[in-house]
Amino acid sequence: GQQLNQSPQSMFIQEGEDVSMNCTSSSIFNTWLWYKQDPGEGPVLLIALYKAGELTSNGRLTAQFGITRKDSFLNISASIPSDVGIYFCAGQRDSNNDMRFGAGTRLTVKP
Amino acid sequence: GAGVSQSPRYKVAKRGQDVALRCDPISGHVSLFWYQQALGQGPEFLTYFQNEAQLDKSGLPSDRFFAERPEGSVSTLKIQRTQQEDSAVYLCASSFVGQGFYSNQPQHFGDGTRLSIL
Repeated sequence: GQQLNQSPQSMFIQEGEDVSMNCTSSSIFNTWLWYKQDPGEGPVLLIALYKAGELTSNGRLTAQFGITRKDSFLNISASIPSDVGIYFCAGQRDSNNDMRFGAGTRLTVKP
Repeated sequence: GAGVSQSPRYKVAKRGQDVALRCDPISGHVSLFWYQQALGQGPEFLTYFQNEAQLDKSGLPSDRFFAERPEGSVSTLKIQRTQQEDSAVYLCASSFVGQGFYSNQPQHFGDGTRLSIL
Protein backbone atom coordinates (compact mmCIF):
# COMPACT_ATOMS: atom_id res chain seq x y z
CA GLY A 1 0.00 0.00 0.00
CA GLN A 2 0.88 3.68 -0.10
CA GLN A 3 3.53 4.70 2.39
CA LEU A 4 3.21 8.43 1.87
CA ASN A 5 0.27 10.50 3.14
CA GLN A 6 -0.59 13.11 0.56
CA SER A 7 -3.11 15.88 1.10
CA PRO A 8 -5.46 17.21 0.11
CA GLN A 9 -7.03 14.46 -1.97
CA SER A 10 -8.61 17.00 -4.28
CA MET A 11 -8.76 20.75 -4.79
CA PHE A 12 -11.13 22.96 -6.74
CA ILE A 13 -9.74 26.46 -7.30
CA GLN A 14 -10.26 29.52 -9.46
CA GLU A 15 -7.79 30.39 -12.16
CA GLY A 16 -5.15 32.72 -10.74
CA GLU A 17 -5.24 31.30 -7.21
CA ASP A 18 -2.22 29.75 -5.51
CA VAL A 19 -2.23 26.06 -4.58
CA SER A 20 -0.41 24.17 -1.88
CA MET A 21 -0.22 20.41 -1.34
CA ASN A 22 1.96 18.31 0.91
CA CYS A 23 3.22 14.87 1.63
CA THR A 24 4.30 13.24 4.90
CA SER A 25 5.88 9.94 5.72
CA SER A 26 6.73 7.93 8.81
CA SER A 27 10.01 6.96 7.12
CA ILE A 28 12.97 9.07 6.05
CA PHE A 29 13.56 9.59 2.35
CA ASN A 30 16.77 10.94 0.83
CA THR A 31 15.07 12.20 -2.32
CA TRP A 32 11.63 13.73 -2.76
CA LEU A 33 10.04 14.14 -6.16
CA TRP A 34 6.84 15.66 -7.48
CA TYR A 35 5.15 14.32 -10.62
CA LYS A 36 2.06 15.39 -12.58
CA GLN A 37 -0.11 12.87 -14.39
CA ASP A 38 -2.67 13.68 -17.06
CA PRO A 39 -5.39 11.17 -18.04
CA GLY A 40 -4.04 8.33 -20.16
CA GLU A 41 -0.44 9.37 -19.71
CA GLY A 42 2.44 8.48 -17.46
CA PRO A 43 3.64 10.70 -14.61
CA VAL A 44 5.85 13.59 -15.72
CA LEU A 45 8.59 14.83 -13.41
CA LEU A 46 8.07 18.39 -12.14
CA ILE A 47 10.68 18.86 -9.44
CA ALA A 48 13.30 16.64 -7.76
CA LEU A 49 14.72 17.51 -4.33
CA TYR A 50 17.94 15.92 -3.09
CA LYS A 51 18.87 17.72 0.11
CA ALA A 52 17.01 18.25 3.40
CA GLY A 53 15.83 21.86 3.60
CA GLU A 54 16.23 22.40 -0.13
CA LEU A 55 13.78 24.81 -1.77
CA THR A 56 13.58 24.49 -5.56
CA SER A 57 11.53 26.33 -8.15
CA ASN A 58 10.48 25.41 -11.66
CA GLY A 59 8.56 28.31 -13.17
CA ARG A 60 5.39 28.79 -11.12
CA LEU A 61 6.13 25.66 -9.10
CA THR A 62 8.06 25.65 -5.84
CA ALA A 63 8.81 22.59 -3.74
CA GLN A 64 10.62 22.06 -0.47
CA PHE A 65 12.34 19.04 1.07
CA GLY A 66 11.51 19.04 4.79
CA ILE A 67 14.30 19.27 7.34
CA THR A 68 13.23 16.00 8.99
CA ARG A 69 13.37 14.29 5.56
CA LYS A 70 9.87 13.00 6.27
CA ASP A 71 7.86 15.59 4.39
CA SER A 72 7.68 17.80 1.33
CA PHE A 73 5.32 20.40 -0.08
CA LEU A 74 4.54 21.71 -3.54
CA ASN A 75 3.18 25.18 -4.26
CA ILE A 76 1.75 26.34 -7.57
CA SER A 77 1.36 30.09 -7.96
CA ALA A 78 -1.15 31.87 -10.20
CA SER A 79 -2.81 28.67 -11.40
CA ILE A 80 -3.91 28.32 -15.02
CA PRO A 81 -6.33 25.83 -16.63
CA SER A 82 -3.52 23.59 -17.92
CA ASP A 83 -2.46 22.95 -14.30
CA VAL A 84 -5.41 20.56 -14.09
CA GLY A 85 -4.31 17.01 -13.38
CA ILE A 86 -3.19 14.69 -10.61
CA TYR A 87 -0.07 15.57 -8.66
CA PHE A 88 1.92 12.83 -6.97
CA CYS A 89 4.66 13.10 -4.42
CA ALA A 90 7.25 10.34 -4.33
CA GLY A 91 10.02 9.46 -1.92
CA GLN A 92 13.18 7.53 -2.68
CA ARG A 93 15.61 6.16 -0.12
CA ASP A 94 18.62 5.69 -2.34
CA SER A 95 19.38 6.81 -5.85
CA ASN A 96 18.41 4.23 -8.44
CA ASN A 97 16.01 2.52 -6.08
CA ASP A 98 12.25 2.32 -6.32
CA MET A 99 10.01 5.22 -5.38
CA ARG A 100 7.11 5.18 -2.96
CA PHE A 101 4.19 7.31 -4.07
CA GLY A 102 1.41 9.21 -2.38
CA ALA A 103 -2.17 8.63 -3.49
CA GLY A 104 -2.23 11.91 -5.42
CA THR A 105 -3.90 15.32 -5.29
CA ARG A 106 -6.47 15.90 -8.02
CA LEU A 107 -6.44 19.56 -9.04
CA THR A 108 -9.32 21.24 -10.87
CA VAL A 109 -8.92 24.84 -12.03
CA LYS A 110 -12.04 26.79 -12.93
CA PRO A 111 -11.53 29.49 -15.57
CA GLY B 1 11.22 8.91 -29.90
CA ALA B 2 13.32 10.03 -27.00
CA GLY B 3 11.05 8.87 -24.19
CA VAL B 4 10.12 5.56 -22.58
CA SER B 5 7.91 3.59 -24.93
CA GLN B 6 5.40 0.99 -23.77
CA SER B 7 3.26 -1.39 -25.79
CA PRO B 8 0.53 -2.20 -26.18
CA ARG B 9 -1.25 0.91 -24.84
CA TYR B 10 -4.35 -1.12 -24.09
CA LYS B 11 -4.75 -4.83 -23.52
CA VAL B 12 -7.97 -6.71 -22.87
CA ALA B 13 -7.70 -10.36 -21.87
CA LYS B 14 -9.97 -13.01 -20.50
CA ARG B 15 -9.40 -14.30 -17.01
CA GLY B 16 -6.89 -17.11 -17.12
CA GLN B 17 -5.01 -15.91 -20.20
CA ASP B 18 -1.34 -14.98 -20.17
CA VAL B 19 -0.28 -11.45 -21.16
CA ALA B 20 3.06 -9.83 -22.02
CA LEU B 21 3.73 -6.11 -21.70
CA ARG B 22 6.74 -4.47 -23.32
CA CYS B 23 8.89 -1.53 -22.25
CA ASP B 24 11.54 0.25 -24.32
CA PRO B 25 13.54 2.49 -21.98
CA ILE B 26 15.30 5.70 -22.90
CA SER B 27 18.51 4.88 -24.74
CA GLY B 28 21.44 4.65 -22.36
CA HIS B 29 19.31 4.30 -19.25
CA VAL B 30 20.71 1.48 -17.15
CA SER B 31 17.95 1.29 -14.54
CA LEU B 32 14.44 0.11 -15.39
CA PHE B 33 11.44 -0.07 -13.08
CA TRP B 34 7.94 -1.53 -13.36
CA TYR B 35 5.04 -0.08 -11.39
CA GLN B 36 1.38 -1.03 -11.08
CA GLN B 37 -1.18 1.76 -10.80
CA ALA B 38 -4.70 0.92 -9.67
CA LEU B 39 -7.52 3.32 -10.48
CA GLY B 40 -7.35 6.41 -8.29
CA GLN B 41 -4.06 5.43 -6.67
CA GLY B 42 -0.42 6.26 -7.02
CA PRO B 43 1.96 3.86 -8.75
CA GLU B 44 3.21 0.93 -6.67
CA PHE B 45 6.62 -0.62 -7.22
CA LEU B 46 6.82 -4.07 -8.77
CA THR B 47 10.41 -4.76 -9.80
CA TYR B 48 13.75 -3.13 -10.71
CA PHE B 49 16.54 -3.98 -13.15
CA GLN B 50 20.03 -2.63 -13.48
CA ASN B 51 21.15 -3.65 -16.94
CA GLU B 52 20.00 -7.27 -17.30
CA ALA B 53 20.13 -8.01 -13.58
CA GLN B 54 16.85 -8.03 -11.68
CA LEU B 55 17.98 -6.51 -8.39
CA ASP B 56 14.63 -6.22 -6.64
CA LYS B 57 11.40 -8.08 -7.28
CA SER B 58 9.90 -7.59 -3.86
CA GLY B 59 6.86 -5.76 -5.24
CA LEU B 60 5.65 -8.52 -7.54
CA PRO B 61 2.26 -9.52 -6.07
CA SER B 62 2.46 -13.22 -6.86
CA ASP B 63 4.46 -15.85 -8.69
CA ARG B 64 2.17 -15.29 -11.68
CA PHE B 65 4.13 -12.10 -12.35
CA PHE B 66 7.47 -12.41 -14.09
CA ALA B 67 9.76 -9.76 -15.60
CA GLU B 68 12.86 -10.03 -17.72
CA ARG B 69 15.38 -7.79 -19.45
CA PRO B 70 17.70 -10.28 -21.15
CA GLU B 71 19.93 -7.83 -23.02
CA GLY B 72 19.78 -4.94 -20.61
CA SER B 73 17.54 -2.82 -22.79
CA VAL B 74 13.94 -3.83 -23.61
CA SER B 75 12.00 -5.38 -20.74
CA THR B 76 8.91 -7.57 -20.71
CA LEU B 77 6.47 -7.98 -17.84
CA LYS B 78 4.54 -11.22 -18.11
CA ILE B 79 1.46 -12.10 -16.14
CA GLN B 80 0.32 -15.70 -16.23
CA ARG B 81 -3.21 -16.97 -15.59
CA THR B 82 -4.53 -13.44 -15.25
CA GLN B 83 -7.09 -12.59 -12.59
CA GLN B 84 -9.54 -9.68 -12.45
CA GLU B 85 -7.52 -8.02 -9.71
CA ASP B 86 -4.63 -7.71 -12.18
CA SER B 87 -6.60 -5.01 -14.01
CA ALA B 88 -4.54 -1.81 -13.70
CA VAL B 89 -2.20 0.48 -15.58
CA TYR B 90 1.33 -0.94 -15.74
CA LEU B 91 3.96 1.78 -15.90
CA CYS B 92 7.59 1.44 -16.86
CA ALA B 93 10.23 3.98 -15.86
CA SER B 94 13.93 4.26 -16.62
CA SER B 95 16.79 6.28 -15.25
CA PHE B 96 20.44 6.89 -15.90
CA VAL B 97 22.92 5.60 -13.34
CA GLY B 98 25.26 8.43 -12.52
CA GLN B 99 28.38 8.57 -10.41
CA GLY B 100 29.45 11.01 -7.75
CA PHE B 101 27.89 14.42 -8.32
CA TYR B 102 25.60 12.95 -10.96
CA SER B 103 24.46 9.99 -8.85
CA ASN B 104 20.93 11.27 -8.29
CA GLN B 105 19.03 10.68 -11.49
CA PRO B 106 15.22 10.86 -11.57
CA GLN B 107 13.02 8.23 -13.17
CA HIS B 108 11.17 9.00 -16.41
CA PHE B 109 7.91 7.19 -17.12
CA GLY B 110 6.23 5.80 -20.20
CA ASP B 111 2.50 6.27 -20.78
CA GLY B 112 1.70 2.79 -19.49
CA THR B 113 -0.29 -0.21 -20.62
CA ARG B 114 -3.89 -0.26 -19.43
CA LEU B 115 -4.73 -3.91 -18.75
CA SER B 116 -8.34 -5.00 -18.39
CA ILE B 117 -9.14 -8.56 -17.37
CA LEU B 118 -12.67 -9.70 -18.16
